[in-house]
Amino acid sequence: AQRVTQPEKLLSVFKGAPVELKCNYSYSGSPELFWYVQYSRQRLQLLLRHISRESIKGFTADLNKGETSFHLKKPFAQEEDSAMYYCALTGGSNYKLTFGKGTLLTVNP
Amino acid sequence: EAQVTQNPRYLITVTGKKLTVTCSQNMNHEYMSWYRQDPGLGLRQIYYSMNVEVTDKGDVPEGYKVSRKEKRNFPLILESPSPNQTSLYFCASSFGGLAGYLFFGPGTRLTVL
Repeated sequence: AQRVTQPEKLLSVFKGAPVELKCNYSYSGSPELFWYVQYSRQRLQLLLRHISRESIKGFTADLNKGETSFHLKKPFAQEEDSAMYYCALTGGSNYKLTFGKGTLLTVNP
Repeated sequence: EAQVTQNPRYLITVTGKKLTVTCSQNMNHEYMSWYRQDPGLGLRQIYYSMNVEVTDKGDVPEGYKVSRKEKRNFPLILESPSPNQTSLYFCASSFGGLAGYLFFGPGTRLTVL
């Protein structure tokens, strides 16, 4: 079974502070991991994926297979980063995409 | 414009009255999926479809049916809705059968009284 855990329901930081949204996963094979974001009154959208090792809107995430983690990081948070963030996992040939329960990030001015 | 559309966007109904939520995408995507979003539970997959006439259960399929007769459409059917199906429903699609690269619809807020 595949599982995604986001231990923080809520995370509040001040503008300009570093932010880290935690994601841990459980999967016996080789996982593919993603971060999705949902801004207020907007639809969910893909933020980034581990396979491309990209930085989107200043966010990065590194897959740590030893710790089974895929934490999302940004060195300097902005108010427009306030949103719900979901970590998601799929297996190589497994077409099920499993989401974590989400973390609501609030960036205060 | 490339997009996933859902109808209706809002629906209030009563227990036992069959309903269908439509989902359509214009991107020629093979993969489509339905999720429900509940406070504190995040997104849970109901059903997904790899291609026309190919569907499979997600994590919470009970009480739902789907069909994939055409590539662009993936309706969600509630044969006998119950109050515990009150939720926000999202349809999503992706290319090449890649479940992770989802384009989401705007959501359908369903209330079952």
